[in-house]
Amino acid sequence: DTAVSQTPKYLVTQMGNDKSIKCEQNLGHDTMYWYKQDSKKFLKIMFSYNNKELIINETVPNRFSPKSPDKAHLNLHINSLELGDSAVYFCASSQYLDSPLHFGNGTRLTVT
Amino acid sequence: AQSVTQPDIHITVSEGASLELRCNYSYGATPYLFWYVQSPGQGLQLLLKYFSGDTLVQGIKGFEAEFKRSQSSFNLRKPSVHWSDAAEYFCAVGAESGGGADGLTFGKGTHLIIQP
Repeated sequence: DTAVSQTPKYLVTQMGNDKSIKCEQNLGHDTMYWYKQDSKKFLKIMFSYNNKELIINETVPNRFSPKSPDKAHLNLHINSLELGDSAVYFCASSQYLDSPLHFGNGTRLTVT
Repeated sequence: AQSVTQPDIHITVSEGASLELRCNYSYGATPYLFWYVQSPGQGLQLLLKYFSGDTLVQGIKGFEAEFKRSQSSFNLRKPSVHWSDAAEYFCAVGAESGGGADGLTFGKGTHLIIQP
């Protein structure tokens, strides 16, 4: 009954490859997010989608492309992976701002 | 722009002792404030949140936090810590806007170590 699930949990790949991380929420929330947590545990928002529409696009290289086929899914596709992309990526959802974020367990991406 | 400062990167507390984790925020309007906990290898779990009303907020696992507007602070407290409280703690602030799609700004986290 996981509310926000992301796959895979671990992703190890080489520089230059293209990879995707999938996220699904079964909470009926309208808003989904991608956060990046760096090696120092600092969390930074990357994207936010509300009802499949892109709302926030922080300073993220355009190699990162979110895709929201429906409001329950927000996938993250990364092209031409670089060493600096190694991090833990968290998907999250919320209904409104005055309701808490629900986070997935994260995807640890390691680029070698 | 909103920002969150957690001044303590690491804190070590003996099991059974009291705990206070500091959080200061910068925001021009009424903030929405949150504390999240991240256990090793896990996602983030909400401990408590403040939107309005009583400035002392009770959360899960025996945690509480007090909103002090004059000090722009939202410190997290627990009277007696348990070894299972060892984790990373994040304070976050959200904007008061409609739609709920503006995301949160997180502090850099405080790593809590529990000594036996």
